[in-house]
Amino acid sequence: NAGVTQTPKFRVLKTGQSMTLLCAQDMNHEYMYWYRQDPGMGLRLIHYSVGEGTTAKGEVPDGYNVSRLKKQNFLLGLESAAPSQTSVYFCASSYSLGARTDTQYFGPGTRLTVL
Amino acid sequence: GENVEQHPSTLSVQEGDSAVIKCTYSDSASNYFPWYKQELGKRPQLIIDIRSNVGEKKDQRIAVTLNKTAKHFSLHITETQPEDSAVYFCAANTPSGGTSYGKLTFGQGTILTVHP
Repeated sequence: NAGVTQTPKFRVLKTGQSMTLLCAQDMNHEYMYWYRQDPGMGLRLIHYSVGEGTTAKGEVPDGYNVSRLKKQNFLLGLESAAPSQTSVYFCASSYSLGARTDTQYFGPGTRLTVL
Repeated sequence: GENVEQHPSTLSVQEGDSAVIKCTYSDSASNYFPWYKQELGKRPQLIIDIRSNVGEKKDQRIAVTLNKTAKHFSLHITETQPEDSAVYFCAANTPSGGTSYGKLTFGQGTILTVHP
């Protein structure tokens, strides 16, 4: 099992450019999440999905879009990157049954710099 | 929505000492409280968690306590070792729409340094 993987690991963008971050999980998890991590601010939820074809906004959704076309993949898109989106992005996933729903497993992260 | 406050932001201890990190939460409906450890440049990894029907949970050198009345929970690490040095995050999960699923709200993190 690879667990949760993310592509790419690093990326540098210029202001206004677009890009897509890919998250994949092989644990058959229903729920998937995208977080951003900034110094001194912990992890903040951007968007999440409770199943294939469904997405919902988290705490800081502005400037991002997501899609969950396949159960194992969750894509995070930046249509027009801004310097304020410089951050480390983490994807996570969790089970959907009973008490195990809550435990989230994280990917290795993507370090994004917007110049 | 839920708000999680974590203290202290940095903690420095000598090897062998104990370390305690405290978190408070605002939503009384929160029912699941995980703790994550994040080493430099790595992903957050779950180290221990506790549910609202339990007051204390222990796993070797780490333990977590929960006070639902006061809405706070704490991480205790005993006999600290240099490899315990990392950033620790608490979180609270609030159920949504009558389902067990909820969104995790994280604390700001505590940088723990264990000096040999």
